[in-house]
Formats: sequence, structure tokens, C-alpha cells
Amino acid sequence: QQQVKQSPQSLIVQKGGISIINCAYENTAFDYFPWYQQFPGKGPALLIAIRPDVSEKKEGRFTISFNKSAKQFSLHIMDSQPGDSATYFCAAVNSGGYNKLIFGAGTRLAVHP
Amino acid sequence: NAGVTQTPKFQVLKTGQSMTLQCAQDMNHEYMSWYRQDPGMGLRLIHYSVGAGITDQGEVPNGYNVSRSTTEDFPLRLLSAAPSQTSVYFCASSPRLLATDTQYFGPGTRLTVL
Repeated sequence: QQQVKQSPQSLIVQKGGISIINCAYENTAFDYFPWYQQFPGKGPALLIAIRPDVSEKKEGRFTISFNKSAKQFSLHIMDSQPGDSATYFCAAVNSGGYNKLIFGAGTRLAVHP
Repeated sequence: NAGVTQTPKFQVLKTGQSMTLQCAQDMNHEYMSWYRQDPGMGLRLIHYSVGAGITDQGEVPNGYNVSRSTTEDFPLRLLSAAPSQTSVYFCASSPRLLATDTQYFGPGTRLTVL
């Protein structure tokens, strides 16, 4: 049973649209939530991360929204571009321990021109 | 810096064979880890190391061994390969032992076990 549930499994968005990927967790010990982006044939790379003491974090076109009471967080990609086509993974970890990330299953995003 | 390097890039094994996946980093990072990536499962932690001579198990350690004799190298050994170990393997490192440190991933090794 996955500790971090991610949806949708795949997503198709038109250029300029908004891409939304959702994640949920059960373990209340998790208190740091990074998102990783992976291009085909490459390793994942950190995109953006959030702590639950803030409800939103924005970096350029990428925004994480966090709902602590619902134990849910989501990634929004504004003005999606074909270059954003990749697989996105949400993750969770207890910041008091080692860097043992628990990943969601991943979302394959395709942005069509 | 080359970052995190992994060899080989591709490997095909027969059931029962053993092999070692190599991982090296030139960033003097304390923390290193191995993940496997399977469709619909995301990345799952196999083993990790918090320094030379110190390793521990992750979520899915069975069938794998690791050692860390130097800060730079963290090889993953498959003792007796099974088809269930067909996967893409990623090595990662982070500068310190903080859970909030960025993990830097290698390019991966695609392993097929027949």
C-alpha cells in the first residue's frame, strides 16, 4: 500500500493551459514535501518543495498548494509548455529523520502545442 | 563536477546471475541511496548510507546488498538475480544528512532479468 497516493497517472494539457497533479498522504509524521521532475532517460531532479507551515509556495510557473487538515497537496503548472512534458513525482519525508523519501507513483504529463 | 554517475547504463542478466551496479559521486556528499523505479510504483528506496562504513535498509532491501568503503562510491549488488528485479535503478546523493536536503540522482541503470 502506497503511503503517498498520486493522481492522475497521466495528463494531457494544451499549451498555455494549467496542469494539476494531486497527492495525498496518511502518515502525519511527514512534514516535508518535495516534487521531482523526470525527463525520459534521465534521473529525477528537484523541482520545488514545501513545508506544511505554509499553504502555498510559488516558483515561476510552478505552485504547490498544501492542505494540512486534508493531508493533501498539489502541483499546479501555469501556462504549461511542451518543454514541461515529463513525469512528475510527489514525495514526502519526516524532516527529523534521514532523507528517506517516500514517492508517489508518478504522473506522466504531455503538453501538446 | 560529474555529479552522480552510474554504470552500466543497460544490463541484461539471466535468472540466478549476480552483478554489481556502480554508483559514484564527486560532490563529497555524506548521504547516498539506491532506488528502483517500476511503472505505477514510483521510486522505492532499497538501501541508503549516511557515511563511509554505515549502511541501512530501505523499503525493498531483499535480494540486494550494499557497502560504502569510501565517501564517493556506493555499489549495489544483486546476489542472485530474479525476474522481479527487472527495473530501472537510480543512485542518489545529498550533501548532508538532513531530510530536507536536495537529492541529486544519477542517470539510472536499466536492468532486465530473463
